[in-house]
Amino acid sequence: DAGITQSPRHKVTETGTPVTLRCHQTENHRYMYWYRQDPGHGLRLIHYSYGVKDTDKGEVSDGYSVSRSKTEDFLLTLESATSSQTSVYFCAIRGWDNEAFFGQGTRLTVV
Amino acid sequence: DAKTTQPNSMESNEEEPVHLPCNHSTISGTDYIHWYRQLPSQGPEYVIHGLTSNVNNRMASLAIAEDRKSSTLILHRATLRDAAVYYCILNNSGAGSYQLTFGKGTKLSVIP
Repeated sequence: DAGITQSPRHKVTETGTPVTLRCHQTENHRYMYWYRQDPGHGLRLIHYSYGVKDTDKGEVSDGYSVSRSKTEDFLLTLESATSSQTSVYFCAIRGWDNEAFFGQGTRLTVV
Repeated sequence: DAKTTQPNSMESNEEEPVHLPCNHSTISGTDYIHWYRQLPSQGPEYVIHGLTSNVNNRMASLAIAEDRKSSTLILHRATLRDAAVYYCILNNSGAGSYQLTFGKGTKLSVIP
């Protein structure tokens, strides 16, 4: 599993509140990614990082921000959560042989 | 990333081989063919990847057509644990971001 831990695993929050999801890796990989998965859409890339303080947008980045102050941590923030951001969020890293390893996911419900 | 086409669903009997096809007629010369699977309520799991030659690992084999416009993931002996959605993805590892674009995949059912 490439030492990937997502926290929290489940969260229920109210509309308009900020939410931060954390992805932690233990193997010093350079590239980290945040995806969301919704029925009928499959996995879609939100943001990714290619190093400390180096991030870029993915396909569905509106309403999300990210930060990477340390190699091992990649944070995804919803500044003001909306019901459309109810989803399952997956973190991934790019492995040494260019394969991707995913975390177990965070199920976020915005009510 | 170039697109792939996979059947929506397939069935297999337990302990029999499974051949999961993927078409990628617009593949470029530097695109790698990746396969991932996702078991219910879990994150995607890496299965195998290759460029031109057939590849084998402990989980599966990947057979790549000579013109690279199609490939087949082979599970040599299906078990109930192999029931999952299987994704075939093309990725240009030379591109900086290494984004994986997931389609709908093939839902594999394994019949006991």
